[in-house]
Amino acid sequence: GDSVTQMEGPVTLSEEAFLTINCTYTATGYPSLFWYVQYPGEGLQLLLKATKADDKGSNKGFEATYRKETTSFHLEKGSVQVSDSAVYFCALGHSGNTPLVFGKGTRLSVIA
Amino acid sequence: NAGVTQTPKFQVLKTGQSMTLQCAQDMNHNSMYWYRQDPGMGLRLIYYSASEGTTDKGEVPNGYNVSRLNKREFSLRLESAAPSQTSVYFCASSEYGTGDTEAFFGQGTRLTVV
Repeated sequence: GDSVTQMEGPVTLSEEAFLTINCTYTATGYPSLFWYVQYPGEGLQLLLKATKADDKGSNKGFEATYRKETTSFHLEKGSVQVSDSAVYFCALGHSGNTPLVFGKGTRLSVIA
Repeated sequence: NAGVTQTPKFQVLKTGQSMTLQCAQDMNHNSMYWYRQDPGMGLRLIYYSASEGTTDKGEVPNGYNVSRLNKREFSLRLESAAPSQTSVYFCASSEYGTGDTEAFFGQGTRLTVV
């Protein structure tokens, strides 16, 4: 079955540091890939997505590129802020009525 | 614009008690989902409803039942709560399948079973 593996946390960074959170996947067919973010005390919200190989999703300074050859979708940000402290989930989905498959989440703490 | 609304936000149950978690969305979405979130386990799908009138089991359905009451509402019932069901429960909805459209999540229900 489909699965998503993302790097273990927690990750602690200083403000303005570079962020990478690794995500790899196993899936049949041609899934879409997503990053969702969960701020403290809230539900998840979509951060960015990519629907086919070599697509780059971007939002709020975050980027991720769909790499089919390495089955990866790593999340990056050039300069993190304290407000980026959250849990980040990598996920995949297929067209049709199949639910998302999530990774276990990576907690990011950014300190001033 | 409320989005996905879950009630209650917090609940403490004794082992063996029953309860229903309510979820409603106001976005006219076809698909709705129930997940549980546990430390180190990420989000695991309990049940989902691809459209009104249909429900399907997810990864961890044991001990739960669901009802898609209408297009707006999707409830999750614990018939006899167990300590292993202590978790944070999230309801989500999407216009169609989540490979095609964004999933919107409620704020969660934190359930403790003692």
